Amino acid sequence: AQRVTQPEKLLSVFKGAPVELKCNYSYSGSPELFWYVQYSRQRLQLLLRHISRESIKGFTADLNKGETSFHLKKPFAQEEDSAMYYCALSGLSGSARQLTFGSGTQLTVLP
Amino acid sequence: EAGVTQFPSHSVIEKGQTVTLRCDPISGHDNLYWYRRVMGKEIKFLLHFVKESKQDESGMPNNRFLAERTGGTYSTLKVQPAELEDSGVYFCASSGGAEQYFGPGTRLTVT
Repeated sequence: AQRVTQPEKLLSVFKGAPVELKCNYSYSGSPELFWYVQYSRQRLQLLLRHISRESIKGFTADLNKGETSFHLKKPFAQEEDSAMYYCALSGLSGSARQLTFGSGTQLTVLP
Repeated sequence: EAGVTQFPSHSVIEKGQTVTLRCDPISGHDNLYWYRRVMGKEIKFLLHFVKESKQDESGMPNNRFLAERTGGTYSTLKVQPAELEDSGVYFCASSGGAEQYFGPGTRLTVT
C-alpha cells in the first residue's frame, strides 16, 4: 500500500533560519513526489515536483530512493513561507495518477 | 484563465439530508479528481474521472456517495443521506497532465 508520512504536525522557525520539512514514503514501484502548499485562505497549490528538479521560492527537495524520503528544505526561511505544507505521491501511469497525501506540516516562521 | 471552481463554498445540513457539491474544472482538462479531508485526518482520494468516465472510484467510502461528470465537463458529488462523519472539506482538482490544480474546496458540515 502506498503511504506518505510527515512526522511533524507543527514546525516553528525564526526568520532567516534554515527549515526542513520531512517526508517519507512507501510505494511499490516508481512514484512521482510532490510538495503542495496551502497559504492562509488560499487554495492548495503545487510547490515542487521531484521530476522537474526546480527551486521554487527558494525551496528545494531531493528524492532519496534509498531512504524513501523527499524532504523539503530552504536555507533562509521568510515570514511569507508560513503555511501548511503537504507531501504527496502519485503513480506514473494514467490510471494511478491520484495523489496520496501526508497529514501535512504547519510551518510558522517567526519574526 | 479561471481556475477550478467549486460550489457551494460552505454547506450546513442535517443528518439524513442530501447535499450535492459541484466542481467546474479548468477548460480542456480531461482529468477530474475528488478528494476530501475529514477533521484531523489527511486529504484522501475519492475518485478520478477521465472525461465522463470513472477511471478509479476506489476511494469512495460507501454507496451514499455518487459522483457524475456529465458530458465530461463539470462534475457533481452527491451525498445521500448525509451522516455526521461526512463532515469535512471536499476538494476537486483537474489536470491535463501530471500537475493537478485544486479548487478552493467545499466545507460540508453535517449536524
